[in-house]
Amino acid sequence: DIQMTQSPSSLSASVGDRVTITCRASQGISNYLAWYQQKPGKVPKLLIYAASTLQSGVPSRFSGSGSGTDFTLTISSLQPEDVATYYCQKYDSAPRTFGQGTKVEIK
Amino acid sequence: QVQLVQSGAEVKKPGASVKVSCKTSGYTFTSYDINWVRQATGQGLEWMGWMNPDSGNTGYAQKFQGRVTMTRITSISTAFMELSGLTSEDTAVYYCARGRWVPYWGQGTLVTVSS
Repeated sequence: DIQMTQSPSSLSASVGDRVTITCRASQGISNYLAWYQQKPGKVPKLLIYAASTLQSGVPSRFSGSGSGTDFTLTISSLQPEDVATYYCQKYDSAPRTFGQGTKVEIK
Repeated sequence: QVQLVQSGAEVKKPGASVKVSCKTSGYTFTSYDINWVRQATGQGLEWMGWMNPDSGNTGYAQKFQGRVTMTRITSISTAFMELSGLTSEDTAVYYCARGRWVPYWGQGTLVTVSS
């Protein structure tokens, strides 16, 4: 099975900072990658699909890039409401594995 | 609007089975996969498997093979996930989630396994 590895596992940044989270697949998955945001006690929220397509209603400070094995989620200007855990997920084929998550905090 | 409404919390003894339902509305049930994802307290998201509601075809994560069964009743637009041989490690919130990439999630069902 293809493994999904996110880095870092956690980060702390200041409001207004640019934040980058990476997700690496152990084999190529084309652009079949989604990113989710999950706040404590809440259901995950889809941010990006097809590696770089912003889900409707998601702020434009979120962006995604990559293809094949290496992917990036970028928050261009971190806001207090972005404190959450972020997950990548492959969906090219089963198993539709999630990354282990990246916890984002405000410094 | 699209909704996925799951059944309520369950408490089970070790060795028992649990069956969680996911009633959908607001879209054509047979047009999108249903995934099941679980999350233990303080842990990450764990994909369990998927089902094609049209054909009934399923695919399960290797970890759950032989213990999980995903079914549906199309006439009531409802999907089910049954997990058997429960242990304390299965204590988690279980989510149903629509589609290959998932804009729509159920509210989650807490399953507690305790003697």
